[in-house]
Amino acid sequence: DAGVIQSPRHEVTEMGQEVTLRCKPISGHNSLFWYRQTMMRGLELLIYFNNNVPIDDSGMPEDRFSAKMPNASFSTLKIQPSEPRDSAVYFCASRDSSYNSPLHFGNGTRLTVT
Amino acid sequence: GIQVEQSPPDLILQEGANSTLRCNFSDSVNNLQWFHQNPWGQLINLFYIPSGTKQNGRLSATTVATERYSLLYISSSQTTDSGVYFCARQTGANNLFFGTGTRLTVIP
Repeated sequence: DAGVIQSPRHEVTEMGQEVTLRCKPISGHNSLFWYRQTMMRGLELLIYFNNNVPIDDSGMPEDRFSAKMPNASFSTLKIQPSEPRDSAVYFCASRDSSYNSPLHFGNGTRLTVT
Repeated sequence: GIQVEQSPPDLILQEGANSTLRCNFSDSVNNLQWFHQNPWGQLINLFYIPSGTKQNGRLSATTVATERYSLLYISSSQTTDSGVYFCARQTGANNLFFGTGTRLTVIP
């Protein structure tokens, strides 16, 4: 299995621009998570989906952030408009929630907003 | 709120030494995982261990759920073990809460 695939690996953008991060979960996994990692706050859960349905988005920092999962093999996290404080590493992870199974992470997208 | 505390926050070892990392959690656990974040930022799943003991090569982990802690043992450490070790516990709602990590540096 190729694992969780995220793109792009790095993104540098100017303040005010729209940013879209992409994730392909492991085939057969029905839960997908978006995490953000910063030095100050560590790893924070932004949102997670079960069977393509958003279950908990309480970690999404504000309305500028949105996430979608149109099908079982693809999810996006969008920031519009982006701000310098959004600079972080964004991780996508997936697992099979039908029984207790480990969470598997993608390699992350390092976002820099200037 | 849900607490996941890790100790020590930083650890420096000579290559070949052994170490024990600790994770304390404040509530009952459905799932506990240990991850290694390598210097390139990748988060690697080490153990899924809600209870009991597991071993994988030079690494082993023990979770005592009734006493709300888990331990990660690293034996004969190597420079490639350097990085940050996270434990994360799952609530009943499928969410994983991460500790603040232990930063390990192994010196040749």
